[in-house]
Amino acid sequence: AQSVTQLDSHVSVSEGTPVLLRCNYSSSYSPSLFWYVQHPNKGLQLLLKYTSAATLVKGINGFEAEFKKSETSFHLTKPSAHMSDAAEYFCVVSEGSLIKAAGNKLTFGGGTRVLVKP
Amino acid sequence: EAQVTQNPRYLITVTGKKLTVTCSQNMNHEYMSWYRQDPGLGLRQIYYSMNVEVTDKGDVPEGYKVSRKEKRNFPLILESPSPNQTSLYFCASSKGSEVEAFFGQGTRLTVV
Repeated sequence: AQSVTQLDSHVSVSEGTPVLLRCNYSSSYSPSLFWYVQHPNKGLQLLLKYTSAATLVKGINGFEAEFKKSETSFHLTKPSAHMSDAAEYFCVVSEGSLIKAAGNKLTFGGGTRVLVKP
Repeated sequence: EAQVTQNPRYLITVTGKKLTVTCSQNMNHEYMSWYRQDPGLGLRQIYYSMNVEVTDKGDVPEGYKVSRKEKRNFPLILESPSPNQTSLYFCASSKGSEVEAFFGQGTRLTVV
């Protein structure tokens, strides 16, 4: 079974400072990992994905994440926060690549709400 | 434009009155899923479908039904809604198991 733990439910940063959102996962197989962002009253938008290629993954809007198998982590970072980064972020794991019967089941973390202060 | 379309976006209903939330995708994706989002719990899968006429339960299927008669449509049916089904619902589709899912805009359902 797969699971995802986002270690912080809320993160508050000042504009221009780095952002770190922490995610740990457990998976019986080699997972695919994703970060999604949800702005208020909006749907979910893919930020980036890891699917067993390079361990450092670059996404949209200056975000990147590093897959560390030994630590079972997939933390999301951004060097300089912008006001538009205020949103909720979800770390997601999929085991669908090896368990096709699961129908590409995505398991979500509980979410991290980011507040950006001017 | 590639998209997943859910309707309605907002719905208030009374306990026991059957309702259907529609979901349609125009990307010819095989996989489709329904999720509910509740504070602090992230999104939890309700039902999923791997292709036409192939559906199965996710993590929280109780009180819900789905059907997949056509590849593009995957409606979510609540035969007898109850207040604990008040939630934000998302439909998602994807081409395969290793690629990202595309999400609809969400349907906020309130059952009173």
